[in-house]
Amino acid sequence: GQNIDQPTEMTATEGAIVQINCTYQTSGFNGLFWYQQHAGEAPTFLSYNVLDGLEEKGRFSSFLSRSKGYSYLLLKELQMKDSASYLCAGTPQGGGNKLTFGTGTQLKVEL
Amino acid sequence: DVKVTQSSRYLVKRTGEKVFLECVQDMDHENMFWYRQDPGLGLRLIYFSYDVKMKEKGDIPEGYSVSREKKERFSLILESASTNQTSMYLCASKGTGAGYTFGSGTRLTVV
Repeated sequence: GQNIDQPTEMTATEGAIVQINCTYQTSGFNGLFWYQQHAGEAPTFLSYNVLDGLEEKGRFSSFLSRSKGYSYLLLKELQMKDSASYLCAGTPQGGGNKLTFGTGTQLKVEL
Repeated sequence: DVKVTQSSRYLVKRTGEKVFLECVQDMDHENMFWYRQDPGLGLRLIYFSYDVKMKEKGDIPEGYSVSREKKERFSLILESASTNQTSMYLCASKGTGAGYTFGSGTRLTVV
């Protein structure tokens, strides 16, 4: 299958930590990307996981478990500017350059 | 940094018109993609190209065609625009690295 599932919306408080989950059918994808997209703008690259485990990059970390078909994006010390849509995308098994995207998670950071 | 430029940010066209959306990248990338993005549906792949004059259908090619006469330019063509093609269109390019670089998008309205 080619579905990628993520929650539609999340709300969190400035300064807090939020985890955005992404699940997929394990037979479909090899690596997982996370992109950030502010309203009216292009998606921008955040992270790429092809091996299991946690990749940390400043306030943002991404985790992948290939056997479970599960990834998450962890955002720490939330700032108002983190309010955006977060897109999970998978690269196909066997290689290839097409990305399949989830529908995105709209994160709202509140005071 | 790779730059992907889409010729128009906003476009309004009439039903039945032939519409050209242009995308240019400046880093000699082999792979270029056209997606459309709609609320609740996420990014869906229309067409992609892995080399000059080469093209492959994505998930929703109906009503669209593409042209890649030069490596840096990938054009999306709506042969006869319809109201259900009102959407945000995103172009992306990819080289030998893992990630995509997106253009700023063209918001097309068909009236």
